[in-house]
Amino acid sequence: GQQLNQSPQSMFIQEGEDVSMNCTSSSIFNTWLWYKQDPGEGPVLLIALYKAGELTSNGRLTAQFGITRKDSFLNISASIPSDVGIYFCAGKAAGNKLTFGGGTRVLVKP
Amino acid sequence: DTGVSQDPRHKITKRGQNVTFRCDPISEHNRLYWYRQTLGQGPEFLTYFQNEAQLEKSRLLSDRFSAERPKGSFSTLEIQRTEQGDSAMYLCASSQRRLGGDTQYFGPGTRLTVL
Repeated sequence: GQQLNQSPQSMFIQEGEDVSMNCTSSSIFNTWLWYKQDPGEGPVLLIALYKAGELTSNGRLTAQFGITRKDSFLNISASIPSDVGIYFCAGKAAGNKLTFGGGTRVLVKP
Repeated sequence: DTGVSQDPRHKITKRGQNVTFRCDPISEHNRLYWYRQTLGQGPEFLTYFQNEAQLEKSRLLSDRFSAERPKGSFSTLEIQRTEQGDSAMYLCASSQRRLGGDTQYFGPGTRLTVL
C-alpha cells in the first residue's frame, strides 16, 4: 500500500529558529495536507495543497506541493514555543482516504 | 463552535464489552470519515461515508466493527467484543465535496482503553 515517509522523526527548536520538515512517497498524490496535533487532541489542519508546484503560506507556515507529486515540505519561520507538537503530512490519491506520515515531533531545546 | 464533535472523549471498557462512539460533522459537510490512531503513529483510515452511503471500508475494519450514518448527518462507530488491541484514539473527520479537492477537518477524537 501507499506509505509516506516523513522526516525528521523529531527535532528540537529554539525560539526564533526556522524549521523544515518533509514528506516523500513512492506513489503520486493529488492533494497534500499538513496537520498539527497536540497531545490528546485531534489533528488541526494547517495548510492544504491541491496542485503540483503550489506554494502556500499560512502566517509563519509555508508548504509546497512537489512538482513530481510525490513529495511536500513544510517550513515554520521564527519558531515560538507554541509550535511544539506533532506535525503530520497526509496525501490523498484517487480515492477519498488520507494516507498519513509517521509525524515529526517538534520539541523545545532544553 | 461549529467544528467536528465526538462523544465520548474517553472510554474505558473491559475486554469483551461492546462500545459505541458518536461523531457530529461540520453541518454542511456531506462526507464523513473514521480513522484510528495508535500511540506514536499517524491516523489510519477505517471507513468513509458520502451522505448516508458507506462507500469505502479499510481491511482494518474487521467484522467486529460497524459504522452507520443513518440520516447523512451524525455517524456512529460500534466495536463489538472489544479486544485489548482495539485500544487507540478513534478520530472522525468531515469534508465537503468540491471541485479541485476537498479538505478533511478532524474532531478531537475518542480515546478507547480496553482493559
